[in-house]
Amino acid sequence: DAGVTQSPTHLIKTRGQQVTLRCSPISGHKSVSWYQQVLGQGPQFIFQYYEKEERGRGNFPDRFSARQFPNYSSELNVNALLLGDSALYLCASSLQGLGEIDTQYFGPGTRLTVL
Amino acid sequence: AQRVTQPEKLLSVFKGAPVELKCNYSYSGSPELFWYVQYSRQRLQLLLRHISRESIKGFTADLNKGETSFHLKKPFAQEEDSAMYYCALSGGYQKVTFGTGTKLQVIP
Repeated sequence: DAGVTQSPTHLIKTRGQQVTLRCSPISGHKSVSWYQQVLGQGPQFIFQYYEKEERGRGNFPDRFSARQFPNYSSELNVNALLLGDSALYLCASSLQGLGEIDTQYFGPGTRLTVL
Repeated sequence: AQRVTQPEKLLSVFKGAPVELKCNYSYSGSPELFWYVQYSRQRLQLLLRHISRESIKGFTADLNKGETSFHLKKPFAQEEDSAMYYCALSGGYQKVTFGTGTKLQVIP
């Protein structure tokens, strides 16, 4: 297993555009979480999905949305991009997402630059 | 609200010296605490979690609820320990709050 994979690796957009980031979890993992990591900061929680349902949401505006597909892969969508959205976006998968905290396995991230 | 504080951005120690990476947290309930590590050009990975009480790569961390701390310690630093270390907290499910990280530099 290649572990958690994310695409694309890098992305450059301009202000006002929309972007979609993709994540494939480890085989057998049903939970996917998204994090934003701004340079010099720790990852900040955006969303968690389990069995295609949103189970948690961080303090992010409605411009951020996500979904999980039947094969447990996930997409993060950001509308009306701002300069401040420039960051590394991390995806993490875990076996489940309810009750006990499972170990999260992180992907390599997608580096988004907004000009 | 959940909050994790790592007061040191950079910690430099000599090889063989003891290491202590500080972490303080704020949470009203019973949190679960973690330490994550990111080696150069590698992805973020879990180092240890307080609930398992394991020692990984010689590192240990004790949860002190009175001082709301979860400091990471190792008696003798090795060059391969050089990395970025993040303390993290979860109050439930998979919502994890990370600190800002401490870069550990082990000087040969």
